[in-house]
Amino acid sequence: DAGVIQSPRHEVTEMGQEVTLRCKPISGHDYLFWYRQTMMRGLELLIYFNNNVPIDDSGMPEDRFSAKMPNASFSTLKIQPSEPRDSAVYFCASSLAIGRAFFGQGTRLTVV
Amino acid sequence: DQQVKQNSPSLSVQEGRISILNCDYTNSMFDYFLWYKKYPAEGPTFLISISSIKDKNEDGRFTVFLNKSAKHLSLHIVPSQPGDSAVYFCAASGEAGGTSYGKLTFGQGTILTVHP
Repeated sequence: DAGVIQSPRHEVTEMGQEVTLRCKPISGHDYLFWYRQTMMRGLELLIYFNNNVPIDDSGMPEDRFSAKMPNASFSTLKIQPSEPRDSAVYFCASSLAIGRAFFGQGTRLTVV
Repeated sequence: DQQVKQNSPSLSVQEGRISILNCDYTNSMFDYFLWYKKYPAEGPTFLISISSIKDKNEDGRFTVFLNKSAKHLSLHIVPSQPGDSAVYFCAASGEAGGTSYGKLTFGQGTILTVHP
């Protein structure tokens, strides 16, 4: 298996633009997580899904953030409109069972 | 409210010696703990885990110790190698049925540098 695949690896966008981050989890995994890493806050969980259903989105910072999982092999994290303080590395992770999650390589987002 | 804390931002160790990374947690509902390693420009990779019913788990050069009464866990790497240089994160999740079940709450990370 290729592991968790995220795209793009890098994204530079202007403030106010919509940004969509994509994730393909490991086949057969039934949990999917979106994390954000910043210097100030470290690795923080934004939202996670179980069997494509959002379970906990309490980490989503604002209504500008939304996440979907239309099927077991694809998820998106959307920011609309984007702001400079959204600049961070966004990680997607998946797991077969609670606890041991496998991470993608991340998307480095820069909002200018 | 930081529920998982790694108070040492960095640690420097000589090759061949022991590296000890520490982690404290405040949420008594956590019952599963993990350590992840992260290299620059890569995602965190799983290293070792421990359930709250144990106080020690060993995997090769890596041993995790859990002290539930102190709400403290540590990762020992013996012997340390230059390739171990990375950022180490501890993480915790809660028991089934609890509000923290399914969430992996991470510490801030400790940068380990192993000198040849």
